[in-house]
This record gives sequence, C-alpha cells and structure tokens, in this order.
Amino acid sequence: DAGITQSPRYKITETGRQVTLMCHQTWSHSYMFWYRQDLGHGLRLIYYSAAADITDKGEVPDGYVVSRSKTENFPLTLESATRSQTSVYFCASSDLAGGQETQYFGPGTRLLVL
Amino acid sequence: AQSVAQPEDQVNVAEGNPLTVKCTYSVSGNPYLFWYVQYPNRGLQFLLKYITGDNLVKGSYGFEAEFNKSQTSFHLKKPSALVSDSALYFCAVRDLGNNDMRFGAGTRLTVKP
Repeated sequence: DAGITQSPRYKITETGRQVTLMCHQTWSHSYMFWYRQDLGHGLRLIYYSAAADITDKGEVPDGYVVSRSKTENFPLTLESATRSQTSVYFCASSDLAGGQETQYFGPGTRLLVL
Repeated sequence: AQSVAQPEDQVNVAEGNPLTVKCTYSVSGNPYLFWYVQYPNRGLQFLLKYITGDNLVKGSYGFEAEFNKSQTSFHLKKPSALVSDSALYFCAVRDLGNNDMRFGAGTRLTVKP
C-alpha cells in the first residue's frame, strides 16, 4: 500500500547497543522528518532531510545519526543507545518547501532502552 | 525560534456540547499553524492549517480553528463534540523560511456520552 511505513513497530534494546529505525515512503516526497514523542514534551524534531543526501539537525539531534541515500528511505540510527532515548519515534514526510505543506506521519516505533 | 503552548493538558466535554482546545504561539515572522490529532497507538493525522487569508479555517471531521493575530492564538473548535473525537490534539507552528516545525505538548480531549 502507498503511504509511509516504519519498522520495527516495537523494539527493546540494551544500553550501548546500536539501533536503526527504518522509515519508508511511497509518495516521492522530498522532505522527511524524524520526531520523538515524550510525555509532557509533545513531538520534538530530531533530524530532517530536504532531499536525498541532504540532512539537517532539528531540536534534539544529539545521539542520533541519519542518512538519506534514496528519496524514499530515511533511517535513524542510535549509535550507542541510552535510557533517555526510550521514546516513541515518528517519521513524517512532506512534498514542498516553504512551510505550507502538510506533514504525513508514520505509525511510530516504540523503543525501550534497558 | 518559534514555539507553541497548549495551556491545558486535559479537556473534558459532554457529547453534543461545543469544544475548544487552546493554542498560543510565538514566531518572529508570519506563522504557518497546524492542528494534528493522534488516536491511541497511531501516528499523527492532519486536521487543518492556517497559511493566509480567512482567519477561520475549516478542517476534517467538522473541526475549525480561528487565527487571532493580536492574541497570537489558534484555538481548535467544534460546535458539537462526539465521543469519537476523544484523542490527543497537537498544535504546531512553522515560521516562514524555516523547515523546523515546533509542536505543543498536546491536549487530551475526552468526550463523555
């Protein structure tokens, strides 16, 4: 089906391990985003990408790495997971620049770091 | 940087009554304002947005929002609430020329039969 998907939907890992969260969209949207959702904070932007091979930091980028070799994929890697990275992670995509575009969100990945 | 405040963590209304979910914002330039809704274990869904033009914006599921520049507010409203409207609502703002969207902390709306 067309849309935006995330995998895995649930992940449990241990402190210090590397974890990669996957995001895939079928709309060929140019922009993609990674957010984390924590109680009391709403959604906070981690990284975003304006196009393939173009990425930029958001509000809370520390401890995360992204890449975008293809337009449709935007993986998020936690190189050495910490307990503070326990959260729900949402990927989103949108088409045009300039702020007018609507962002479309994936279903989320619930990550627990022990 | 732009910011959003949702002053109420929780809003409770009876089915059939009007509802309001409050949002205030801060930006340096002209704001682009959004409302999203999140149902349990789901991603956010777009409800409506204000870019320019008429201050009253109509969106999905009978929701509307009023942009008030003098009060820097963008409150979400619905004339008659449904039990199925119960969800978590997020207000968001972007500044012109800025790719960074800032979300509020969210307001949990509960509509009781």
